[in-house]
Amino acid sequence: RKEVEQDPGPFNVPEGATVAFNCTYSNSASQSFFWYRQDCRKEPKLLMSVYSSGNEDGRFTAQLNRASQYISLLIRDSKLSDSATYLCVVLSGSARQLTFGSGTQLTVLP
Amino acid sequence: DVKVTQSSRYLVKRTGEKVFLECVQDMDHENMFWYRQDPGLGLRLIYFSYDVKMKEKGDIPEGYSVSREKKERFSLILESASTNQTSMYLCASGGTGMSTDTQYFGPGTRLTVL
Repeated sequence: RKEVEQDPGPFNVPEGATVAFNCTYSNSASQSFFWYRQDCRKEPKLLMSVYSSGNEDGRFTAQLNRASQYISLLIRDSKLSDSATYLCVVLSGSARQLTFGSGTQLTVLP
Repeated sequence: DVKVTQSSRYLVKRTGEKVFLECVQDMDHENMFWYRQDPGLGLRLIYFSYDVKMKEKGDIPEGYSVSREKKERFSLILESASTNQTSMYLCASGGTGMSTDTQYFGPGTRLTVL
């Protein structure tokens, strides 16, 4: 079983739609959680951290459920510029190591 | 603005050649990382370093070695390149000591081994 699992997609949604991505992790001792965004042929960049209480950044909302070992990312009012691959990332084991999911591809259509 | 640079964007090498991939960061981070990214497999950690001359194996170190002689520079070495090492290689740096939540990535080197 992979340490971090994501639905690979692709998700094709119209502009203005709400879309949700899910991610599960296997290590119950995982300490920190993140969503990274990777544009086509570019490097990953941090989108947002994920906190137990849930957190929001504009149109993006991240949730963490430690009991179910589950992380989610909700994007409201999708824009064309949201088209990218979204990577679920977990910090566990050695505090210096991040484990990346294989990513969920999103395409927002005009 | 944070900056992680990698020596090449594209590289083509032959089987058996020695390959050096260089990474430089200007953020004074103690921690630096080398990943490879393959379709369907995501990013996998090859090696990381948390200080000059220190290194630790990641999940897939076989066939690779690293060098960290200066804080800002972390090199990945393929002693004898093989076709299964054709991949996108991403360097990252992040944090000091035990704090490494945000990692900043370089633009990547797409290596093809023929």
